[in-house]
Amino acid sequence: EVQLVQSGAEVKKPGESLNISCKGSGYTFSNYWIGWVRQMPGKGLEWMGITYPSDSETRYSPSFQGQVTISADKSISTAYLQWNSLKASDTAMYFCARANYYDSFFEYWGQGSLVTVSS
Amino acid sequence: SYELTQPPSVSVSPGQTARITCSGDALPKQYAYWYQQKPGQAPFLVIYKDSERPSGIPERFSGSSSGTTVTLTISGVQAEDEADYYCQSADSSATSWVFGGGTKLTVL
Repeated sequence: EVQLVQSGAEVKKPGESLNISCKGSGYTFSNYWIGWVRQMPGKGLEWMGITYPSDSETRYSPSFQGQVTISADKSISTAYLQWNSLKASDTAMYFCARANYYDSFFEYWGQGSLVTVSS
Repeated sequence: SYELTQPPSVSVSPGQTARITCSGDALPKQYAYWYQQKPGQAPFLVIYKDSERPSGIPERFSGSSSGTTVTLTISGVQAEDEADYYCQSADSSATSWVFGGGTKLTVL
């Protein structure tokens, strides 16, 4: 059974850095693209980007390029979403999802990680 | 940037048919996918490649495509179908993926 288990909720201050994680199991992690989706409070889903754990190739949405870093460590079957300097507007739920790259969609989803940025 | 357009809300009575549309210029070239999201839960794939249904999804969920518009149809709507529904696709070059704004389905 494919499972994606995300790290827990975080409360941070503006300007702080943050790394949230997503651990995959039940499949060969390095063989599938994995991506991140943002959902701001009361709002819709936004595609942030995807990464291929096997060779670290990463694609970003223009809206998130330069704002976050998406990466993966295939040795521990874990993907990451990283911020160097958080803003209040980064407050959101973040979902990881296993991607079907060739058909451009998400097959399996993590449970979500809530990030709250507040002074 | 590429956009997919959905109606913000659709309301139907139990047993009726709900139709949720999604429009985008690249839809004739790229498949569309539909996700259901209930409050406090992660999204869940209900239709892939315009009209295919993943295993375990009830037959009352179906999808269709015509030109620049795709449609999610829920026949015989049940109370448990009340949720937000999002279409998703890619731009014409498949380098950037995008979600529609979402449609809140209310079962009256």
